[in-house]
Amino acid sequence: GAGVSQSPSNKVTEKGKDVELRCDPISGHTALYWYRQSLGQGLEFLIYFQGNSAPDKSGLPSDRFSAERTGGSVSTLTIQRTQQEDSAVYLCASSPPSGRNEQYFGPGTRLTVT
Amino acid sequence: KQEVTQIPAALSVPEGENLVLNCSFTDSAIYNLQWFRQDPGKGLTSLLLIQSSQREQTSGRLNASLDKSSGRSTLYIAASQPGDSATYLCAVRPGAGNNRKLIWGLGTSLAVNP
Repeated sequence: GAGVSQSPSNKVTEKGKDVELRCDPISGHTALYWYRQSLGQGLEFLIYFQGNSAPDKSGLPSDRFSAERTGGSVSTLTIQRTQQEDSAVYLCASSPPSGRNEQYFGPGTRLTVT
Repeated sequence: KQEVTQIPAALSVPEGENLVLNCSFTDSAIYNLQWFRQDPGKGLTSLLLIQSSQREQTSGRLNASLDKSSGRSTLYIAASQPGDSATYLCAVRPGAGNNRKLIWGLGTSLAVNP
């Protein structure tokens, strides 16, 4: 079946602009995660959605970052007033309702802020 | 605070060798541990997930072991092939209950030379 998809695959934007990154999880997966991977650093948790529960936003680095998940499926990560330090690969993952929490990743969006 | 360390950071071997990648974590109270593979410019692929009650998992030429008490996991790759070249990441899900945030190592970059 179809895996996790993300769009765009690459995004170049000017400092100060807003960007939206999209994630389509695997159908039937109730949990959705956003991570950031900066050059030379490990994956950084950003936000986690589980069903209809309030999202865990504890990893968002500033109030310029926000995310929504509409209808329990597609998610959008929005970065306002982008800064150069926001340049990274943004990865989305989803996992099924089972307790194992095995996460399936999309290919990521490479964001470059100039 | 849970920290995950992977050693070595990089490894280069000739084709056909058996090899071991190491992952250590500071807090033994984990729910599960997952090994991923990341190819350049691509997302992550889940390789093996070991629940805290398990000692090892096998998939094809891959075998992952878990020693919770010593805070260690190893990923064993038998008869390595050039197609195994990638970065291998280890991630720990802390504790039990609803905490689904994974804690990640920085990865081991593996090159298998023909």
